[in-house]
Amino acid sequence: DGGITQSPKYLFRKEGQNVTLSCEQNLNHDAMYWYRQDPGQGLRLIYYSQIVNDFQKGDIAEGYSVSREKKESFPLTVTSAQKNPTAFYLCASSFGTGTEAFFGQGTRLTVV
Amino acid sequence: GENVEQHPSTLSVQEGDSAVIKCTYSDSASNYFPWYKQELGKGPQLIIDIRSNVGEKKDQRIAVTLNKTAKHFSLHITETQPEDSAVYFCAAPVGYSTLTFGKGTMLLVSP
Repeated sequence: DGGITQSPKYLFRKEGQNVTLSCEQNLNHDAMYWYRQDPGQGLRLIYYSQIVNDFQKGDIAEGYSVSREKKESFPLTVTSAQKNPTAFYLCASSFGTGTEAFFGQGTRLTVV
Repeated sequence: GENVEQHPSTLSVQEGDSAVIKCTYSDSASNYFPWYKQELGKGPQLIIDIRSNVGEKKDQRIAVTLNKTAKHFSLHITETQPEDSAVYFCAAPVGYSTLTFGKGTMLLVSP
């Protein structure tokens, strides 16, 4: 089945640690996105990539990093510089602006 | 950049009633307006979208209307059912690369 897969579903991190969230798609989409969701805040864009080996910062990129070495994969690293990392993280992909964006099931990150 | 305002933030209706959620956007060049439904603990899913060359689009109990002059678009759900209970997001394009989302509307349909 074609789709977009995020893993893990739940992730716990100690303060000061970096963690990497996985996002894989087999939809042959060129564009991939990372959003952060907090209660009452909607979806805020962290990073996006329109093509392999290229990515741009979104509205809240500080404390995060990404890579796009393969078309299918767009991992997000939450670094220790992110002061409030506890949130629900959503990955999405699409053929580009003006086309349907498909979302993964999300990763809930909790700092303990 | 694009600014998307969504109202109301919560909406409670009785089963069988209609529900309307409204969004306004700021970029007059925007031409694609999707609506997403998000169930608890899951990722959002597209339920309907509209492009700027049409004013209304329907899909069974769901419809979206667009007023480009006023820069607003609305989601209409008729004959609501308990399974319609979810958070709904509108969105509009930012330039040629991403979408900006509204803050969401929590719809509660009571039996």
